[in-house]
Amino acid sequence: QVQLQESGPGLVKPSQTLSLTCTVSGDSISSGSHYWSWIRQPAGTGLEWIGRIYTTGSTHYNPSLKSRLTISVDTSKNQFSLKLSSVTAADTAVYYCARVHSTSYYESDIWGQGTMVTVSS
Amino acid sequence: DIQMTQSPSSLSASVGDRVTITCRASQSINIFLNWYQQKPGKAPKLLIYAASSLQSGVPLRFSGSGSGTDFTLTISSLQPEDFATYYCQQSYSTPDTFGQGTKLEIK
Repeated sequence: QVQLQESGPGLVKPSQTLSLTCTVSGDSISSGSHYWSWIRQPAGTGLEWIGRIYTTGSTHYNPSLKSRLTISVDTSKNQFSLKLSSVTAADTAVYYCARVHSTSYYESDIWGQGTMVTVSS
Repeated sequence: DIQMTQSPSSLSASVGDRVTITCRASQSINIFLNWYQQKPGKAPKLLIYAASSLQSGVPLRFSGSGSGTDFTLTISSLQPEDFATYYCQQSYSTPDTFGQGTKLEIK
């Protein structure tokens, strides 16, 4: 059974860097069958795609976040990570990691439970 | 970015009703269209991918159709567990984008 689990600080100060990790179990990030992505959802609103990474380290970022965003992968730990710099209150949201099929229609079939990140001093 | 517009934004229906939700893309996305169900406090769950393919384990009362710019999600006979928010997502080109959501409520 494939599971994804987000981890990281729940509170980040404005102008600092938000860092989250997604740990994958039941599947190998190195398998090459999937991308690994981040999506966020501010309270009471819709879903925003942040970006995704392939096992090779190849990335696709949302242009609206690109200047502040780094997504990386650690195949030895079967984890991938998100770093978002210079955060503001607008970055407060539930952050999800998800598995994306790279050989189908890029659907996200497995999601983590989500982790709430609040940007506040 | 490709804009995804869902309608309606909210919908009241009764158990046993047939319900249709529409999603329109601002440009052609072939069949790179996915549907998700989200319940309060939970992560989205994949229902339909490639516009009409039912994800494994999803009940047969859910179906999807469409191609190009216009898509629909249909629930043939609403069950109590189907009351949730539904999102479409285009995965034709990055950044992937989602519709604003359709909240399905009990009448």
